[in-house]
Amino acid sequence: NAGVTQTPKFQVLKTGQSMTLQCAQDMNHNSMYWYRQDPGMGLRLIYYSASEGTTDKGEVPNGYNVSRLNKREFSLRLESAAPSQTSVYFCASRSQDWSHEQYFGPGTRLTVT
Amino acid sequence: GDSVTQMEGPVTLSEEAFLTINCTYTATGYPSLFWYVQYPGEGLQLLLKATKADDKGSNKGFEATYRKETTSFHLEKGSVQVSDSAVYFCAPGGGFKTIFGAGTRLFVKA
Repeated sequence: NAGVTQTPKFQVLKTGQSMTLQCAQDMNHNSMYWYRQDPGMGLRLIYYSASEGTTDKGEVPNGYNVSRLNKREFSLRLESAAPSQTSVYFCASRSQDWSHEQYFGPGTRLTVT
Repeated sequence: GDSVTQMEGPVTLSEEAFLTINCTYTATGYPSLFWYVQYPGEGLQLLLKATKADDKGSNKGFEATYRKETTSFHLEKGSVQVSDSAVYFCAPGGGFKTIFGAGTRLFVKA
């Protein structure tokens, strides 16, 4: 099992450029998440998708859009990148059982210059 | 809203020392409680969990007990190793969202 995969692993963008971060899970989970991790701030939720066809804003959604393409895939788009979006981005999916354990991808390190 | 407070780091210990990382939370209802660990350059992975009051989660020598009366879930290990150097996140989880603490970085010296 691959678990949760993310592409790309690293990306450098210029201010104003756009890009899409890809995420896929092979565990048949309903819920998927996008987080950003900044030094000293832990993980902050950007968007989540409770099930295929639904998406909801998290704590820091401004400047981002998401698409739940199907049950497996959940992408994050930056339409016009800003230096404040320099961060490490993690995708996660949540188990179906009542413990709600989350499984994380390896992350994408994004730098916006 | 729900929140979690965990011990600020970094924590620096010598090998074989005792580790405690404190975690307290506020949440509606009785969430499951998790400790996640992040090794350098990797994503988070589950270290241990407890799903109801008085449950003890354990893994790799780490333990934490779900204390409903004090809303705490402190992480302990009796004898740390250099390989335990990582960032540790306390996380109450319920519903569709899990709240992550800011993380505590642990350095273990040989």
